[in-house]
Amino acid sequence: QVQLQESGPGLVKPSETLSLTCTVSGYSISSGYYWGWIRQPPGKGLEWIGSIYHSGSTYYNPSLRGRVTISLDTSKNQFSLKLTSVTAADTAVYYCARSVRIFGTSIGWFDPWGQGTLVTVSS
Amino acid sequence: EIVLTQSPGTLSLSPGEGATLSCRASQSVSRNYLAWYQQKPGQAPRLLIYGASSRATGIPDRFSGSGSGTDFTLTITRLEPEDFAVYYCQQYGTSPSFGQGTKLEIK
Repeated sequence: QVQLQESGPGLVKPSETLSLTCTVSGYSISSGYYWGWIRQPPGKGLEWIGSIYHSGSTYYNPSLRGRVTISLDTSKNQFSLKLTSVTAADTAVYYCARSVRIFGTSIGWFDPWGQGTLVTVSS
Repeated sequence: EIVLTQSPGTLSLSPGEGATLSCRASQSVSRNYLAWYQQKPGQAPRLLIYGASSRATGIPDRFSGSGSGTDFTLTITRLEPEDFAVYYCQQYGTSPSFGQGTKLEIK
């Protein structure tokens, strides 16, 4: 059974870089699938941040492109998110999740998900 | 970018009743790449439906999805107490996006 677990600082100062890690158990991330990040501001809806294929190809939400980097660490079976120049608008619960690859390079639905981690941007 | 609009924003029903949730896309969703999720307070979303109408593993058959093009529906027959939650639709492909959610609350 595949399980994902997010980890990282719960508080980040404005203008700094948000860094989170997702540890995957029950499956080797180098074997396949997309591995992605989704966030949810308090009381609001879901926003896809980006995804990385097991080969290392990355796909980002155009609204965040330029601030986002997603990378793999296959030795630790982890993937990571870095979001630069954060503001209060980046305060959210951040989820990691797995996606299948469908038709060509398309990113599929998200399943399973990690439990999520709240990151607050505040001085 | 495909924008998904869900309606209604809130749906108030009683256990045992049926629910119909709508998701409308700003442009046609290719190959019916549309999923539905259920989210309860303090929990991560749970996949219910993918490919517009295929139930995910372990999802009861009272949940069903339908639709194509720009109009999609999630139907829940015979609501159980545990079904009251927020439901999101999501289109997937090269740039996934989510609807704003429908809250299903107990009347």
